[in-house]
Amino acid sequence: TQLLEQSPQFLSIQEGENLTVYCNSSSVFSSLQWYRQEPGEGPVLLVTVVTGGEVKKLKRLTFQFGDARKDSSLHITAAQPGDTGLYLCAGIAGNMLTFGGGTRLMVKP
Amino acid sequence: EAQVTQNPRYLITVTGKKLTVTCSQNMNHEYMSWYRQDPGLGLRQIYYSMNVEVTDKGDVPEGYKVSRKEKRNFPLILESPSPNQTSLYFCASSSWTGRDTEAFFGQGTRLTVV
Repeated sequence: TQLLEQSPQFLSIQEGENLTVYCNSSSVFSSLQWYRQEPGEGPVLLVTVVTGGEVKKLKRLTFQFGDARKDSSLHITAAQPGDTGLYLCAGIAGNMLTFGGGTRLMVKP
Repeated sequence: EAQVTQNPRYLITVTGKKLTVTCSQNMNHEYMSWYRQDPGLGLRQIYYSMNVEVTDKGDVPEGYKVSRKEKRNFPLILESPSPNQTSLYFCASSSWTGRDTEAFFGQGTRLTVV
């Protein structure tokens, strides 16, 4: 079993603050993905990073894949209440998609 | 509309009573999988299927069965449910392209075994 550990598990911040969520593993993945899950719904893909050292930006969200392809980070700039949700990282290796434990983010107005 | 449909959305059952959770996708995806989601543990893969009649165990397959007789359907079967199988279950499908694969999830089935 390839494990992905996310930190922190919970994060409560004020609107306008910046934050970073980490996803770490001892295993190498061919790619890393980030999903966001709203209550009562299934996860929805935000981004896939495939190259070691790759950085992708989606508006205020910045995703990075570690050089060794074992870890990733999600940075949110100037968080807004609409960013509230569960953020999950997932690694692809072989025929399996393995998820981390998730980071529950709450952004208070 | 492209979607993954799970039924039922909510289910309360008793220990030992066989149940099936259905999953259907209309995107002609080869790859389908089942996950369970528990607080702090994220999504753990139960079984996956690369194509019709091809299924493989995920990380937590004990107590579950699956079948893939048709491309669009991938039911999850609990032959003798136990309370430790109380969880939120998600079915997902994707057109498996390796590292660029995007998984599309159903809305989940909340199962309670008493």
